[in-house]
Amino acid sequence: EIVMTQSPATLSVSLGERATLSCRASQTVRSKLAWYQQKPGQSPRLLIFGASTRATGIPARFSGSGSGTEFTLTISSLQSEDFATYYCQHYNNWPPWTFGQGTKVEIK
Amino acid sequence: EVQLVDSGGGLVQPGGSLRLSCAASGFIFSNFWMGWVRQAPGKGLEWVANIKEDGSEKYYVDSVKGRFTISRDNAKNSLYLHINSLRAEDTAIYYCVREVAGGAFAGWGQGTLVTVSS
Repeated sequence: EIVMTQSPATLSVSLGERATLSCRASQTVRSKLAWYQQKPGQSPRLLIFGASTRATGIPARFSGSGSGTEFTLTISSLQSEDFATYYCQHYNNWPPWTFGQGTKVEIK
Repeated sequence: EVQLVDSGGGLVQPGGSLRLSCAASGFIFSNFWMGWVRQAPGKGLEWVANIKEDGSEKYYVDSVKGRFTISRDNAKNSLYLHINSLRAEDTAIYYCVREVAGGAFAGWGQGTLVTVSS
C-alpha cells in the first residue's frame, strides 16, 4: 500500500497570501494524484486531478504541480472561502487508493 | 449536473448488517467506475471499495474484505454497499463517489452515517 504524507498538518495564512501545501508518496504514483477540499459539515470537492489539471469550475488561483513522489497544491491568493481542510489522494495502477491525512488551512 | 444521493445508514450493533444505497443522476451511470469512501468522526478520508462500469471488477480496502460487498444496478442508476459483521471501527460517514480519469473522485454524495454501537 502506498502511504501518502501531507505537510504541514495545519497552515495559518492571512487573506490574500499564498498557501503552499505538500504531499509525498511512499513510492512513485507518476501523475496519478488528486487534491480535494473539504469544509466542515460538507462532502469533499475535487480540485485537481492528474497532479495539475483543475477540475470543472475550480478557480485559477488553485494550481497543482509535481510528479513521482512529491506534489504541491498552491493557492495563489487566499480567499475567505478557501479556509478548509485539503487532502491528497493517489490513484496509480490498481487500488487501494489512499489519502493523505489532510492539511487544515486556517486564518492567521 | 451530477447528483449522488446516499442513504441507508443508521445505528447498528456490533456484528450487525446494513445496506447502503446511492441514487445517481445527471450523468450516464453505466459509463463510470463508482465507489465508496468513508470518514470516521473527526478523521480523514479512507477509500473503501470500487466497482467497474459493468460490475465485472471489484476492489476493496483490506480492512473490509470478506465483510463488505459493493454492487450496482445500471438499470436503476444505483450503487450499493452491503456491510456485514460490523465493528466499532466501521463507524463513519460513507460517501458514494464517481470516478474519473482512472481514480479521481469527481462527484460525491452527501454521505450517510453508520454508527456501530451496543
